[in-house]
Amino acid sequence: QVQLVESGGGVVQPGRSLRLSCAASGFTFRSYGMHWVRQAPGKGLEWVASISYHGSDNFYADSVKGRFTISRDNSKNTLYLQMNSLRAEDTAVYYCASGIAVAGLGPNDAFAIWGQGTMVTVSS
Amino acid sequence: QPVLTQPPSSSASPGESARLTCTLPSDINVGGYNIYWYQRKPGSPPRYLLYYYSDSDKGQGSGVPSRFSGSKDASANTGILLISGVQSDDEADYYCMIWPSNAGVFGGGTKLTVL
Repeated sequence: QVQLVESGGGVVQPGRSLRLSCAASGFTFRSYGMHWVRQAPGKGLEWVASISYHGSDNFYADSVKGRFTISRDNSKNTLYLQMNSLRAEDTAVYYCASGIAVAGLGPNDAFAIWGQGTMVTVSS
Repeated sequence: QPVLTQPPSSSASPGESARLTCTLPSDINVGGYNIYWYQRKPGSPPRYLLYYYSDSDKGQGSGVPSRFSGSKDASANTGILLISGVQSDDEADYYCMIWPSNAGVFGGGTKLTVL
C-alpha cells in the first residue's frame, strides 16, 4: 500500500526550530521527486519546497527560503523539512507529497500521493 | 510570486456540468504551462486530479473519473477544470497550480457546492 506518514509537528515558540519527517512506503521512494505543501487555518494550499529524486536539487518558496531546508534519506525512505526561525505565519498543516514523474527533478511535477499532514503551530 | 485567480465559489446541481476557472496573470501565458488541478475535501488530504497542457499532452490522476477534464481558454489566459455529471461527492475545494520559474504557485481555490 502506497503511503506517506508525516510526523514531528507540534507547538513551538516563534524563533525556534522544528524538524518534520515523512516516512514513505509501498513505492520506490528514491525514484521520485518529493515535496512539502502547507495549508494555514482557513487558507488555501501553499507550495513550500521540493527536492529532486537524488536529493541534489532543492527548491523553495520565497516565504521560507533561507529558513527551511528540505532533505531526504533514500536509504531510509524518508523526507525531511528542517524549519528554523519559525514565525506565526508558518502555522499550518504540513503535507508531504510524492511526485508523479519517475526521476523527478522537483519542479513541473504533479503531487500524486499525499500524506495525512502534521500540524505545526507557532505561538508564544 | 504570480497570483492565480480562482472564483471563491461555484455551484452546480447534480447531473449538471461545473466549469471551474483559473486565470493567470497577464505576464504569464497559459499556453506555456501545465495546469495542475487538486481536490480538497474537509478532513482529507488534497487529491491530485489531472494536469492539462494541450489535447495531446494531458494526464489523469490515478482513479480519477474521466468526467473530470481539463482545458485552456487562451483568449482569457485561463485554465479550466470541467466536471461533467456533477455528483454530491464532488462537493469540495478545487485548486489549480502551475510551476513558473521552478516555484510552485497555487490558486486561491474554488469551493464547489452541489445544490
